Amino acid sequence: EVQLLESGGGLVQPGESLRLSCTASGFTFSNYDMAWVRQAPGKGLQYVSAFSAGSAYYADSVKGRFIISRDNSRNTLYLQMNSLRVEDTAVYYCAKYLTTTTTTIFGSWGQGTLVTVSS
Amino acid sequence: DIQMTQSPSSLSASVGDRVTITCRASQSISTSLNWYQQKPGTVPNLLIYSASSLQSGVPSRFSGSGSGTDFTLTISSLQPEDFATYYCQQSYSAPTFGQGTKVEVK
Repeated sequence: EVQLLESGGGLVQPGESLRLSCTASGFTFSNYDMAWVRQAPGKGLQYVSAFSAGSAYYADSVKGRFIISRDNSRNTLYLQMNSLRVEDTAVYYCAKYLTTTTTTIFGSWGQGTLVTVSS
Repeated sequence: DIQMTQSPSSLSASVGDRVTITCRASQSISTSLNWYQQKPGTVPNLLIYSASSLQSGVPSRFSGSGSGTDFTLTISSLQPEDFATYYCQQSYSAPTFGQGTKVEVK
């Protein structure tokens, strides 16, 4: 069974940093692209970042502030979040990022970790 | 970024109703369009990918159609477990989601 377990969320002040982790099990982690998606409280879904085909991609809203990385030996995906803003407050989900011939989907999702940015 | 606009933002329906949700892209995205269902307190669940392909395990009452800029998710006969929020997502370029459509009990 695929399991994705996020951790590292919490309450921080604007301008501070936080590192999220997503530990995977139940599949061969190194064989899959992975992504982060967030959801502000009571709001919709927003793509944040993906690690796809060995390269990192970012939404414009986080480019230059967030860094995605992975450690295949630890089956773990990371999201280093710097210069956090109030508008970064959200539940952050990691997900398998799966490419078909015509589309790319967010497959299995973790349960998410809440990041709150507030003074 | 490609903007995705869903309509309506919410709707009220009864069990057994036929429900249609529309998603419009700000530019042509071919069939690079997916649909997710999210129930309160749970994570999103993939329903439809590539505009019209039913994800394994998803009931056949769900269907998707469209290409280019206009897409539709249809629930042929709404069931109690279908009351949820539905999101479209394009993958033609950097992924973007629609704002969601909440399907509520009438």
